[in-house]
Amino acid sequence: AAGVIQSPRHLIKEKRETATLKCYPIPRHDTVYWYQQGPGQDPQFLISFYEKMQSDKGSIPDRFSAQQFSDYHSELNMSSLELGDSALYFCASSLEGGPLIFGSGTRLTVV
Amino acid sequence: EDQVTQSPEALRLQEGESSSLNCSYTVSGLRGLFWYRQDPGKGPEFLFTLYSAGEEKEKERLKATLTKKESFLHITAPKPEDSATYLCADSGNTPLVFGKGTRLSVIA
Repeated sequence: AAGVIQSPRHLIKEKRETATLKCYPIPRHDTVYWYQQGPGQDPQFLISFYEKMQSDKGSIPDRFSAQQFSDYHSELNMSSLELGDSALYFCASSLEGGPLIFGSGTRLTVV
Repeated sequence: EDQVTQSPEALRLQEGESSSLNCSYTVSGLRGLFWYRQDPGKGPEFLFTLYSAGEEKEKERLKATLTKKESFLHITAPKPEDSATYLCADSGNTPLVFGKGTRLSVIA
C-alpha cells in the first residue's frame, strides 16, 4: 500500500539559509499535517491543510510557511534558519478524521 | 481542559515479562483514542483506534483496551524488537496532540 512520502530524508543547512521540505500524502487522503519533533520531545503540530486549504495552525514560527498544491503534495518552507530549527519534520495524512499516517520524516540539521 | 496523560514515562522489561502501559484521559465526549508506536528517528506508526468503552484490539503481542477513563496497551511476552516509544492521542482532537509517551525498553 502507498505510504506518505517525504523528501529529502536528510538535509544540512547553514544558519540563515532557507530549506524546503516536500510531502506526498497517501492518494485520496483529504488532510495533510506537518509536525516538528526535537530530540527527546513528542511531535509538535505545526500546520495542516484540508483539501488544499489551511485548516489549523499550531506553534509554527513566522519564518515558516507551508502550502498544499493542486496535485495534493505539500511543501514546508523554512527561512532564516536557526540552530534551534534542527529537528525531525514529519508529514502525515488522513482521510475523513481517521488515524494520521506518518511519513518517515526529514531530519534537518542547521549548522 | 481536555488532556491525555501517559504512564509510566519509561518502562524497562526483561524479554518475556508482560506488562501494561496506561493512557488516561479527561476528555468530555471522547470520540476515540489512537495508539502509535515510534522508533527512534522514524515517524509514528499507527497501531489501533478504540472508539468505545469495552472495546479491545489486538496485534501480535499487543492488545489495547478502553474504559470510560483510560486505555491500556498490554504487552504479552515482549521481545527486544518491541522496544519503542508508545504514544496515545485523542482521535477527536483536531489537530492531533500527542502525549509524552511511554519509552519501552525490552532487554534480552
